[in-house]
Amino acid sequence: GQNIDQPTEMTATEGAIVQINCTYQTSGFNGLFWYQQHAGEAPTFLSYNVLDGLEEKGRFSSFLSRSKGYSYLLLKELQMKDSASYLCAVRVGGSTLGRLYFGRGTQLTVWP
Amino acid sequence: GAGVSQSPSNKVTEKGKDVELRCDPISGHTALYWYRQSLGQGLEFLIYFQGNSAPDKSGLPSDRFSAERTGGSVSTLTIQRTQQEDSAVYLCASSSPDSSGANVLTFGAGSRLTVL
Repeated sequence: GQNIDQPTEMTATEGAIVQINCTYQTSGFNGLFWYQQHAGEAPTFLSYNVLDGLEEKGRFSSFLSRSKGYSYLLLKELQMKDSASYLCAVRVGGSTLGRLYFGRGTQLTVWP
Repeated sequence: GAGVSQSPSNKVTEKGKDVELRCDPISGHTALYWYRQSLGQGLEFLIYFQGNSAPDKSGLPSDRFSAERTGGSVSTLTIQRTQQEDSAVYLCASSSPDSSGANVLTFGAGSRLTVL
């Protein structure tokens, strides 16, 4: 089976930087995704890594180490609206349209 | 359409009744996925359709669950003889190949099912 671990909860203050870690044990790794989900809403795509290294997109960055089965999502200049659940997901298998396996999500609370 | 549309948004049913949940994917998206999200749990994969290929049903939790996709577009997830443990938010997503290779899944807002 696939095993994806991430912390259950994190807190941070407005303007700070937070790093959300994700470790995975999968067979047939074919990409790692981060999604953001506000309460009662659909998950929305944040980032995608398939090769080792850092992908930067504005205030959000995501890092991947395939040899270590490790990724992190870095959020800079935190804003209140960043309070949400952050989902780490891994795609497995040969197809780039294959299903994603999700972790349980990390609930981030940003305090003023 | 502009996004993935799901209906109903909320469904309350009695134990033992059958329910149908509908998903309208983004027009032109070839892949369609159903996931289930229970309180405090991650997204649990249920079933995946890709083009004309046989669906991947490996995530369906029991034979009370079934899904079909008609004409390569709209999908219906059916739960027969509902049980209280079926209470969850059922999320549909669609995707299609893109130049980045990410082939991002776009999710609908979900159908919240409550079984009394």
